[in-house]
Amino acid sequence: AQTVTQSQPEMSVQEAETVTLSCTYDTSENNYYLFWYKQPPSRQMILVIRQEAYKQQNATENRFSVNFQKAAKSFSLKISDSQLGDTAMYFCAFKSGGGADGLTFGKGTHLIIQP
Amino acid sequence: NAGVMQNPRHLVRRRGQEARLRCSPMKGHSHVYWYRQLPEEGLKFMVYLQKENIIDESGMPKERFSAEFPKEGPSILRIQQVVRGDSAAYFCASSPWDGARREQYFGPGTRLTVT
Repeated sequence: AQTVTQSQPEMSVQEAETVTLSCTYDTSENNYYLFWYKQPPSRQMILVIRQEAYKQQNATENRFSVNFQKAAKSFSLKISDSQLGDTAMYFCAFKSGGGADGLTFGKGTHLIIQP
Repeated sequence: NAGVMQNPRHLVRRRGQEARLRCSPMKGHSHVYWYRQLPEEGLKFMVYLQKENIIDESGMPKERFSAEFPKEGPSILRIQQVVRGDSAAYFCASSPWDGARREQYFGPGTRLTVT
């Protein structure tokens, strides 16, 4: 079974700073997908960014980018020019490329952006 | 295009009662997933359904929990004889057929409180 580990329960940075959230995972598969979801106080789960394991290029979505290290099984999220609206829980998730389709989530990192 | 709809948003049940949670997927989506989020935890996969079929229920408790996704109407997650430990947020997600990627779009969740 796959596992996803987020080792930072909480992080706090000043507005406009850059912050990196870490995520590691464990799998024996070669083909899989990785996601970062944001959960603001409204509790709605919002997809932030997605990475296919077969792609070497790191995914980027505006101020959000990832550092995907397949050999190290690491998938960190970088938020540039952080904004107050980025305050939320952030969850890293793994999806198998075949077979089971449920996402495996980490326990989350509570990110607080200070004004 | 409306997003994933879940109702009710909040549900209070006494121990021993039944809870029915409903999920309407996004238009055109034929895959539905149910997840449970306990306080201070990430989401845990419960069950994956397509229309009229349960594809993967490996995360469902063996007793008291059932799910369906009929040909017409919403998907239903049913919890019989609820206990205090069932108190959690239950999220539904849907996806189109999109090869193996099957990006999942989440609803706002139903918060179940068992008194």
